[in-house]
Amino acid sequence: QVQLQESGPGVVKPSETLFLTCSVSGNSVASDYWSWIRQSPGKGLEWIGYISLTGNANYNPSLWGRVTISRDTSQNQFSLKLTSVTPADTAVYYCARGKATPGPWGQGTLVRVSS
Amino acid sequence: DIHMTQSPSSLSASIGDRVTITCQASQGIVSSLNWHQVKPGKAPKIIISGASHLEPGVPSRFSGRGGGTHFTFTISSLQPEDIATYYCQQSDNLPPTFGGGTRVE
Repeated sequence: QVQLQESGPGVVKPSETLFLTCSVSGNSVASDYWSWIRQSPGKGLEWIGYISLTGNANYNPSLWGRVTISRDTSQNQFSLKLTSVTPADTAVYYCARGKATPGPWGQGTLVRVSS
Repeated sequence: DIHMTQSPSSLSASIGDRVTITCQASQGIVSSLNWHQVKPGKAPKIIISGASHLEPGVPSRFSGRGGGTHFTFTISSLQPEDIATYYCQQSDNLPPTFGGGTRVE
């Protein structure tokens, strides 16, 4: 049974970099696609991007230039880096297995952008 | 990006009621449509993939149908544990996009 758990700081200052990690159990990050998705307060869900089983990444054009998704196969984790954050990046960030059909998902972690 | 329009945005129903949610895509997506259940503080859960395929372990009271641009999601007999927000999501084109959600209460 695949399980995912997000971790990272709960607060990030404006203009700084947000870094989150997703720890995976029950499957290898090298054998599937893995995605990041977020939900801003009171808003809908937004797909951020994915990393493939070969290590290539694809991102939502709305975040292009600010986002990087990478993986560490030795730790069986994948990560999200989002630069130059603003209050608009305040959201619950989820990791999930899959490229365009996410599931299962992690529980999510709330990240607030605030000084 | 493909825009997904979901309705209603919220609905109130009684236990045992039949609940139906609709989702419309801005362009044809064949049957590349998923439904997700989101509860506060819990991991979202994919309920249906490919418009009508019930995910393993999901009760048979959930169903989905449709194709092209118009899709429906039905709970045949609402149970207390089904109180949640439901989102449709297209997987036909990148980036994947979600509907605005339907809060079932």
